Amino acid sequence: SQTIHQWPATLVQPVGSPLSLECTVEGTSNPNLYWYRQAAGRGLQLLFYSVGIGQISSEVPQNLSASRPQDRQFILSSKKLLLSDSGFYLCAWSDSGVAYNSPLHFGNGTRLTVT
Amino acid sequence: EDQVTQSPEALRLQEGESSSLNCSYTVSGLRGLFWYRQDPGKGPEFLFTLYSAGEEKEKERLKATLTKKESFLHITAPKPEDSATYLCAVSGLQGAQKLVFGQGTRLTINP
Repeated sequence: SQTIHQWPATLVQPVGSPLSLECTVEGTSNPNLYWYRQAAGRGLQLLFYSVGIGQISSEVPQNLSASRPQDRQFILSSKKLLLSDSGFYLCAWSDSGVAYNSPLHFGNGTRLTVT
Repeated sequence: EDQVTQSPEALRLQEGESSSLNCSYTVSGLRGLFWYRQDPGKGPEFLFTLYSAGEEKEKERLKATLTKKESFLHITAPKPEDSATYLCAVSGLQGAQKLVFGQGTRLTINP
């Protein structure tokens, strides 16, 4: 069966510090991978998605970047964190190809607090 | 632009008191409508996918239905463990698998 791992679960970082959040998926090949952010009281906002190694699409301009160095590894980064980067970050995967109507499966998220 | 609106924002029920959650959507060609359950501090857990108007899916005390403009999540005789935030999302004709989420309904079931 497929599993998704996301770490760390909680992170407190000062403003201006770098960020690296990692996500890995097991039990599937060539998945679509996603980074979402969930702000308090708001819906999930898609940040990045990837359909293959090295292929990254950005949905909103921001202080963050994403990379996919391996088929089942997705990394969210920042060179200098802003207060507004605080939030709950969720990694997700879905089956690739088909008819673009397969569900997303989420990790348990990283709670990021920028102080 | 695809949009999803969920109502109510929050709902409190007594154990055994059935009700429905609403998800209204506008999308440029619906590929799928998805329901998720999210517990505090956790990632969303997939519940259902609905593909076309008239379709229904059931899982335990939950039943999801779909029309051309909205979806309902019916909860029959809920238990306290059904307390969670329920999220609705749609996938339209935007390529890849980009789900647009609503803000969720926070459901509390009192014993």
